[in-house]
Amino acid sequence: ETGVTQTPRHLVMGMTNKKSLKCEQHLGHNAMYWYKQSAKKPLELMFVYNFKEQTENNSVPSRFSPECPNSSHLFLHLHTLQPEDSALYLCASSQDTSAGGPYEQYFGPGTRLTVT
Amino acid sequence: GQNIDQPTEMTATEGAIVQINCTYQTSGFNGLFWYQQHAGEAPTFLSYNVLDGLEEKGRFSSFLSRSKGYSYLLLKELQMKDSASYLCAVLDSNYQLIWGAGTKLIIKP
Repeated sequence: ETGVTQTPRHLVMGMTNKKSLKCEQHLGHNAMYWYKQSAKKPLELMFVYNFKEQTENNSVPSRFSPECPNSSHLFLHLHTLQPEDSALYLCASSQDTSAGGPYEQYFGPGTRLTVT
Repeated sequence: GQNIDQPTEMTATEGAIVQINCTYQTSGFNGLFWYQQHAGEAPTFLSYNVLDGLEEKGRFSSFLSRSKGYSYLLLKELQMKDSASYLCAVLDSNYQLIWGAGTKLIIKP
């Protein structure tokens, strides 16, 4: 397995369900990210982890809860979501910014989430 | 506020050349990225510019002018497989990527 993987690829959930998205990177990176991508909108950065420590939380509602048990794995726990949360959720990884570069982020294929 | 502007959609002909522009206003600048994203797939890295000038990489070139807050991605000898969205993103002073909404490029035979 190489690169960045995400599971599941598709998820349909009701507003009262609890589910988790999983991301794994095999690139030896120290930084991992969760993004939300909605149609015709810029990528929205949700959370950033550097060396397993959360460094950014961009005003994300508490119904989204991230977890980073180690530098290779990242989870996004979902509960009591709203229909407007339906989107593509992308995970990415990169070298940590203190390393002086390179800074490009590598993305997983995403989870297409539909909240009914 | 921070802002990245790029055209929503462009159409070009197979074999031709197309230039996709990006203008930005950000708090600090640590480089500009271009990514390609095919429908239903992950964005993939194309280029990174941190100094002014043109960087060429095969059929794709990327240009940066920091004084003008401007970049473009130039695609030559267009192929049908180049139909995708092209995302411009700037690394700000906090080393966070600020993203444009993307330009959907449609290639016609």
